Amino acid sequence: DARVTQTPRHKVTEMGQEVTMRCQPILGHNTVFWYRQTMMQGLELLAYFRNRAPLDDSGMPKDRFSAEMPDATLATLKIQPSEPRDSAVYFCASGLVTTGLPRNTEAFFGQGTRLTVV
Amino acid sequence: AQSVTQLDSHVSVSEGTPVLLRCNYSSSYSPSLFWYVQHPNKGLQLLLKYTSAATLVKGINGFEAEFKKSETSFHLTKPSAHMSDAAEYFCVVSDTGRRALTFGSGTRLQVQP
Repeated sequence: DARVTQTPRHKVTEMGQEVTMRCQPILGHNTVFWYRQTMMQGLELLAYFRNRAPLDDSGMPKDRFSAEMPDATLATLKIQPSEPRDSAVYFCASGLVTTGLPRNTEAFFGQGTRLTVV
Repeated sequence: AQSVTQLDSHVSVSEGTPVLLRCNYSSSYSPSLFWYVQHPNKGLQLLLKYTSAATLVKGINGFEAEFKKSETSFHLTKPSAHMSDAAEYFCVVSDTGRRALTFGSGTRLQVQP
């Protein structure tokens, strides 16, 4: 049963600490997304990668957030230093995007990392 | 730019009655459209997708949606609500250019016994 795996599921940290969230996309998928979900803003796209290359990270605060794909089986989202306003659920999703038809752009989501910064 | 507007933040129905969750989209390109469901403290699950094939799309758990280009709508329906359908539902658009998913603000569905 292929699924996107995110670790940790929950993280509580103090303001100023570094936080690293990890994601294992579904094997064979070429696109990885990072989303943040809050009550106020809903689901926001932070960044996404295709074939491990960053395509768009315009939704991410550049001064403290960074996203990488060291290899095809691992995506990371790092916050340094963390702030209370970063408290949210962070979702990773993966998908297989093709250039021809049929277009397959749906994303499969992980269970999320619930981050609390105190 | 692409966007979706979910017209109702909350919908409440009685068990066994029809469900209608409304969604309008805006996209510069030919869009792909999706509905996702999120149960409390869970991830997001794909209900159904439209990718320019049939305009009436059937999904899981008895849900379906109809793509209406003239109305730029993609409303989600189900003939008979079940208690287990209570959740948050998201309408999502992806255009062929950017290929990233843009989420609506969500509709919380309550099902009364």
